Amino acid sequence: KAGVTQTPRYLIKTRGQQVTLSCSPISGHRSVSWYQQTPGQGLQFLFEYFSETQRNKGNFPGRFSGRQFSNSRSEMNVSTLELGDSALYLCASSLGQGWNQPQHFGDGTRLSIL
Amino acid sequence: LAKTTQPISMDSYEGQEVNITCSHNNIATNDYITWYQQFPSQGPRFIIQGYKTKVTNEVASLFIPADRKSSTLSLPRVSLSDTAVYYCLVGVGSSNTGKLIFGQGTTLQVKP
Repeated sequence: KAGVTQTPRYLIKTRGQQVTLSCSPISGHRSVSWYQQTPGQGLQFLFEYFSETQRNKGNFPGRFSGRQFSNSRSEMNVSTLELGDSALYLCASSLGQGWNQPQHFGDGTRLSIL
Repeated sequence: LAKTTQPISMDSYEGQEVNITCSHNNIATNDYITWYQQFPSQGPRFIIQGYKTKVTNEVASLFIPADRKSSTLSLPRVSLSDTAVYYCLVGVGSSNTGKLIFGQGTTLQVKP
């Protein structure tokens, strides 16, 4: 069974640009969450989607947005990129909602802002 | 929101049993305790989850005392490949959200 797939693995952008990251969850998983990981702040929750609806959102500015499609695939978008957005962006999927559902993470997209 | 406290780092040697303890004094009644493992440049990997007493799977055991204010992840006979960061997480209370709150984690270094 294929794991969570994130594309692209690496991305280099410049300040002011926008970027879209993609996540394909494990087949049958309906919940997708996004996290940002940086050396200074660690792993921080961005948002969670279930059945194409955003169910939860972390403390990030409105430049960070996402969506989920009917096949559970998800994308996140960051507009007006800043240097501080350089990070590893991780996507996780689970069978359903609920904190006791183990989440399965992809290996992330490494975003570098120049 | 239950805050967790765990050691920043631990060292061990191959073949030893490693126990990592996590404190979560204000854990709520319906909170679960979950441990994840993360290798460099990879996403976290689910290890084990429990609510009370003891849970064991093929890779680890989780011990939770009756008051649930702490928990201990036990890794039997570690190898060099167990060198990683280990995160203890406690549920945010709501049963309809998968939001995970990660702390700093414990960096385990296994030496030959």
